[in-house]
Amino acid sequence: DAGVIQSPRHEVTEMGQEVTLRCKPISGHNSLFWYRQTMMRGLELLIYFNNNVPIDDSGMPEDRFSAKMPNASFSTLKIQPSEPRDSAVYFCASSLKAANTEAFFGQGTRLTVV
Amino acid sequence: DAKTTQPNSMESNEEEPVHLPCNHSTISGTDYIHWYRQLPSQGPEYVIHGLTSNVNNRMASLAIAEDRKSSTLILHRATLRDAAVYYCIRRDGGKSTFGDGTTLTVKP
Repeated sequence: DAGVIQSPRHEVTEMGQEVTLRCKPISGHNSLFWYRQTMMRGLELLIYFNNNVPIDDSGMPEDRFSAKMPNASFSTLKIQPSEPRDSAVYFCASSLKAANTEAFFGQGTRLTVV
Repeated sequence: DAKTTQPNSMESNEEEPVHLPCNHSTISGTDYIHWYRQLPSQGPEYVIHGLTSNVNNRMASLAIAEDRKSSTLILHRATLRDAAVYYCIRRDGGKSTFGDGTTLTVKP
């Protein structure tokens, strides 16, 4: 398996534009996580899914952020409209559901909003 | 608060053991303790996890206090490639909350 695949690796966009980040989890994993990392706030859990269903989205900062998981092999994180303070590295991770299993992280998407 | 407490930074000499402490005094009985590390410009990488008993794998050992309020990650022989930020997290089902982590510097 190629691991968790995120695209794009880098994204530069103008303030006000819509941004869509994509994630392909490891096949067979039934939990998927979206994290955001900044120098100021570290790694923050935004949302996680179990079996394609959002379980906890309490970390999603604002209504401008939305995440979907239409099937077991694909998830998106959308920011509309984007703002400069959304600039960060966004990581997607997947794991089997149980708490005693390891999570595998993608390489991240570095988002810059200018 | 589900966050754990770790020292901001630690230093080690190459080839020497390293003990990275973590405090999780509010841990619940079903939370697992996971350790991840993050190298520059990479995503976090799994290191080890445990519930109550001490655990060993090819990367490290995990020593868990009897009351489970603290744990220690042990790297038996630090190498330059072990220089990273190490995160200790509690995992309850799917939810994992990362703290600030410990930046480990390994000196040659």
